[in-house]
Amino acid sequence: SQTIHQWPATLVQPVGSPLSLECTVEGTSNPNLYWYRQAAGRGLQLLFYSVGIGQISSEVPQNLSASRPQDRQFILSSKKLLLSDSGFYLCAWSSTTDTQYFGPGTRLTVL
Amino acid sequence: SQKIEQNSEALNIQEGKTATLTCNYTNYSPAYLQWYRQDPGRGPVFLLLIRENEKEKRKERLKVTFDTTLKQSLFHITASQPADSATYLCALDGAGANNLFFGTGTRLTVIP
Repeated sequence: SQTIHQWPATLVQPVGSPLSLECTVEGTSNPNLYWYRQAAGRGLQLLFYSVGIGQISSEVPQNLSASRPQDRQFILSSKKLLLSDSGFYLCAWSSTTDTQYFGPGTRLTVL
Repeated sequence: SQKIEQNSEALNIQEGKTATLTCNYTNYSPAYLQWYRQDPGRGPVFLLLIRENEKEKRKERLKVTFDTTLKQSLFHITASQPADSATYLCALDGAGANNLFFGTGTRLTVIP
C-alpha cells in the first residue's frame, strides 16, 4: 500500500530564517506531487505541483520554492521566512488527476 | 480558474439526523467532483468522487449528488453520529490541469 510522510510535524522559526520541509511517498511510482498551505480557518491553497522529477509548476508567486530531486521526494523551501508564511503545510500525491492522498502535515509558526 | 462556494462555514445538527452540505461552483463544468473529510490538525481524507455523467453516488451512510445544470453538489450524511464531526471539503478538477480546486469547507458538529 501507499504511504506518504512529512517532516517535521511542527516547526517554529524566526522571521528571516530558511525553511526546508520534506515529503516522501512510498509504494507508488511517478506520482503527481503537491504542496498546499492552509492558513488558520482558511481553505487549501495550492502552492506547487509536480508531474515528474525536476518538473515544478508554481501556482502562487511567493518567497517559497519547491524541488523534486527524486521520483518520490518533494521539498518545499524558503531562503527567508516571512510572518505570513505561518500555516499548515500539506503534501499530497495522486496517481492521476483524480483522488489526492494527503500527508499528516507540518505546522509552521514564524515568529 | 474555478470559484467554489460551500455555503455554510459551520453546521450543527442533532445526532441521528441527516446532515446536508452544499458545494456550488461557477465557471467551467468539472469532469468530476470530490468530497474530503478533514479533522483538526490532520490532512484531508478522500471520501467520494462523482463524475459529471453520474447523478448520485453512495458509500455506506454517505450520499453525494451532482447537478451540472445547477452547478451544485450535495453531500449527505444519514443517521449522523458525533464521530462525523469534522470539516468537509469539496474539490473540483482543474479543467485538464494536474490539480484540484478546493472549497473552504463546512465544519460539521453532530450534537449528542
